[in-house]
Amino acid sequence: AQSVAQPEDQVNVAEGNPLTVKCTYSVSGNPYLFWYVQYPNRGLQFLLKYITGDNLVKGSYGFEAEFNKSQTSFHLKKPSALVSDSALYFCAVRDERRGGADGLTFGKGTHLIIQP
Amino acid sequence: EPEVTQTPSHQVTQMGQEVILRCVPISNHLYFYWYRQILGQKVEFLVSFYNNEISEKSEIFDDQFSVERPDGSNFTLKIRSTKLEDSAMYFCASLQQGASEQYFGPGTRLTVT
Repeated sequence: AQSVAQPEDQVNVAEGNPLTVKCTYSVSGNPYLFWYVQYPNRGLQFLLKYITGDNLVKGSYGFEAEFNKSQTSFHLKKPSALVSDSALYFCAVRDERRGGADGLTFGKGTHLIIQP
Repeated sequence: EPEVTQTPSHQVTQMGQEVILRCVPISNHLYFYWYRQILGQKVEFLVSFYNNEISEKSEIFDDQFSVERPDGSNFTLKIRSTKLEDSAMYFCASLQQGASEQYFGPGTRLTVT
């Protein structure tokens, strides 16, 4: 069975500082990894993904994430936080072998709060 | 930019009633999904649908649930006899053939009283 852990319920960062939201995963095969963001009363918006290739992937709104196979981690990062980045962030995984029919397994989410 | 849409945005129903939640996936997408998020908890996979049949389903997706693609654009989730614990936000998602990222709708908040 696959799983995702987001160890922090909340991350507080001052505007302009770098941010990191942590994610570790467990999957039998090779992972497809995703980050989604949820603003209040909105659906999940896709931010970025890791499928294969370069371990550092770049996504929307200046976010990036680093895949680390040995640590089974996929931490979300941004060099300089904006107040508008405040939202709920979800990490998700699926097994590469299982194809498009497989649902995503999500972490419990991390509230990111950027203080002005 | 194409979007997944869902209706209604909020549905209130009495315990034991049937509800149908509606979704219009992105038009050239071929995989469709339902997820739910109970308040304060993680997003959970319910079911995936491809080529007019269920591909995968989770343990949550029991006989009370069904899905249908009644025409070329809509994708529905039916709960036959709602329970209090069915109260949640229900998200529809879709995926393009050959792609990897699913696109989610804004959700339907279901409240069972």
